[in-house]
Amino acid sequence: SQQGEEDPQALSIQEGENATMNCSYKTSINNLQWYRQNSGRGLVHLILIRSNEREKHSGRLRVTLDTSKKSSSLLITASRAADTASYFCATPPRGGGTSYGKLTFGQGTILTVHP
Amino acid sequence: EAGVTQFPSHSVIEKGQTVTLRCDPISGHDNLYWYRRVMGKEIKFLLHFVKESKQDESGMPNNRFLAERTGGTYSTLKVQPAELEDSGVYFCASSQGGAAGELFFGEGSRLTVL
Repeated sequence: SQQGEEDPQALSIQEGENATMNCSYKTSINNLQWYRQNSGRGLVHLILIRSNEREKHSGRLRVTLDTSKKSSSLLITASRAADTASYFCATPPRGGGTSYGKLTFGQGTILTVHP
Repeated sequence: EAGVTQFPSHSVIEKGQTVTLRCDPISGHDNLYWYRRVMGKEIKFLLHFVKESKQDESGMPNNRFLAERTGGTYSTLKVQPAELEDSGVYFCASSQGGAAGELFFGEGSRLTVL
């Protein structure tokens, strides 16, 4: 498996349900980020969780990080049709510094929320 | 304030031709990145500019790719000559200098090589 692999590859749910996406990575990290990409659009940064954090919230988003398992999850509560998009986790190099923008992305989870 | 803009949004060229993609970062952002997503694969880092200097070009696939950022403002990515496997979406992103944080991405330039 590759650094930043998401699971599942595709997720289809009804509006109002919760959506959970998982990400696994292989090497140690400083932080892990989640991005969203709507069809044909650019990537939008959703949330960043640092390696010393276990959980972080932002609106309807909840991210967890388990560094012992090298995994993270993104939970979207009370999903809406507008949440339909691809979701990617990404990690910068461990060394940090000026290379923080050199992200390694997973292949993403395609989320479809049916109205 | 304008976000990261990329041009063209879609380019269709024949194998062997040349294509130049342009990225205008957010004003004041010293860091500029190019990424690429080839069909069915993950988004991959190509290179990183700090102002006009190439900080890291370890992701550039081969010498058919040339990136420039003259004057430290907009950047171009030229593919010459283009090959079939170069097809994909090329994303540009920018960020402010200093502490780690989010990247602001453009909407991408889709390149189709026939």
